[in-house]
Amino acid sequence: DAKTTQPTSMDCAEGRAANLPCNHSTISGNEYVYWYRQIHSQGPQYIIHGLKNNETNEMASLIITEDRKSSTLILPHATLRDTAVYYCIAVTQGGSEKLVFGKGTKLTVNP
Amino acid sequence: NAGVMQNPRHLVRRRGQEARLRCSPMKGHSHVYWYRQLPEEGLKFMVYLQKENIIDESGMPKERFSAEFPKEGPSILRIQQVVRGDSAAYFCASSSTGGLMDEQYFGPGTRLTVT
Repeated sequence: DAKTTQPTSMDCAEGRAANLPCNHSTISGNEYVYWYRQIHSQGPQYIIHGLKNNETNEMASLIITEDRKSSTLILPHATLRDTAVYYCIAVTQGGSEKLVFGKGTKLTVNP
Repeated sequence: NAGVMQNPRHLVRRRGQEARLRCSPMKGHSHVYWYRQLPEEGLKFMVYLQKENIIDESGMPKERFSAEFPKEGPSILRIQQVVRGDSAAYFCASSSTGGLMDEQYFGPGTRLTVT
C-alpha cells in the first residue's frame, strides 16, 4: 500500500470549512484513498473513501487531484465535536483488508 | 442496531497473568479485525478473522498472543503471560463482507493496563 503523508496538526475556527490535505505520490491505479478519524481515544470512525472522482457524503467531501497524488478532506462547517485525529489511508483493491494507520493530522476546532 | 461491542472496557492485569478481550461484531457482520494502539501512537493491525478462520495474522506477535472467532459467540483476543509492554488500547472492528468497499466499524476499545 502507498505511503501517505499528512501534516501533524491543524487548527480551524468553528463554523468554517476544515481542509485536511494528504499526499500519496506513490499511489497506484488500484489503490483507494480512505479517511477515518479518531475522537479522543474512541474507536476510529469511517468518514469517506474514493478512487478517482470526488466524493461527498453527509459527513465530508473528498477531493482527489487528477494525477491522484494528493487529496483533500473537507469538513464544510466544522464543529467542536470534529476535533480529532484524521487518518488518510491508501488501500489496495484486492489486497489485504487491513488498514495501515499513520500518525494522522490532529485537527483542533476552536470556538 | 447495536454497534461493535467490546468488553471489558478497562482491564488491569499483573505481569504474568492472562488477559482475555472480547469483541461482539455488529449484527450481520462476519469479519472481525483487531488493532492495537500503544500510548501516543497510531493503530497497528494485528489480525483479521472470519467465522472460525484466521485470514491474516501478520500483525500478531509470534508468542503469547492468539485470537479466535468461533461459530457462536464473540471474537476473543487472548494474551498470555502479560508484560508491561502489552499495556495499550485494543480495538476491534467488524465488516459485513470484508471486501474493499466495505468500511470497518470500530468498537470503543479495551484499555489494558499491566502492573
